[in-house]
Amino acid sequence: RKEVEQDPGPFNVPEGATVAFNCTYSNSASQSFFWYRQDCRKEPKLLMSVYSSGNEDGRFTAQLNRASQYISLLIRDSKLSDSATYLCVVNERNTGKLIFGQGTTLQVKP
Amino acid sequence: DTEVTQTPKHLVMGMTNKKSLKCEQHMGHRAMYWYKQKAKKPPELMFVYSYEKLSINESVPSRFSPECPNSSLLNLHLHALQPEDSALYLCASSQFGGGITDTQYFGPGTRLTVL
Repeated sequence: RKEVEQDPGPFNVPEGATVAFNCTYSNSASQSFFWYRQDCRKEPKLLMSVYSSGNEDGRFTAQLNRASQYISLLIRDSKLSDSATYLCVVNERNTGKLIFGQGTTLQVKP
Repeated sequence: DTEVTQTPKHLVMGMTNKKSLKCEQHMGHRAMYWYKQKAKKPPELMFVYSYEKLSINESVPSRFSPECPNSSLLNLHLHALQPEDSALYLCASSQFGGGITDTQYFGPGTRLTVL
């Protein structure tokens, strides 16, 4: 079993749609959780840290369920500029080592 | 400011060449990282420096040699690379090198082609 699993997609959605990405992680001792966005041939950029209480940043909402070891990202009112690969990332306890999922590709179409 | 800079942006080298990749951050971060990323794959960790000491080496071949001259700079020395080493090499930094609030910020990467 992979340490961090994501549906690779691609998710093809029309502009304005709501889309949700899910991610599961295997190490129950993991302590920090993130969503990074990566555009083609660019570096990963931090989109959001994910907290147990859930957090929202504009059109983006992230949730963490520690009991189920499950992380989600919801994007509302999708824009063409949201087209990218979304990486679910877990920080290994104490080492600083990031464990990446394979990424989920989103394509928003006009 | 969450800027990590990397030079060069692109590098083409032969298998007998020696070259170096450079990374710099001025955020006062005490941990710096090298990652390798192949197309359509997530980044793979290579090395971690924490407080200028090598803390993680992910069994990387010796043709890759990291160096941390000071807390702001990180180099990756390349020698006798193979064509399969062609990839995007990403540098990242974070404040502490671990801990619940530690967050890594990535540089733009160096796209390396080995002929």
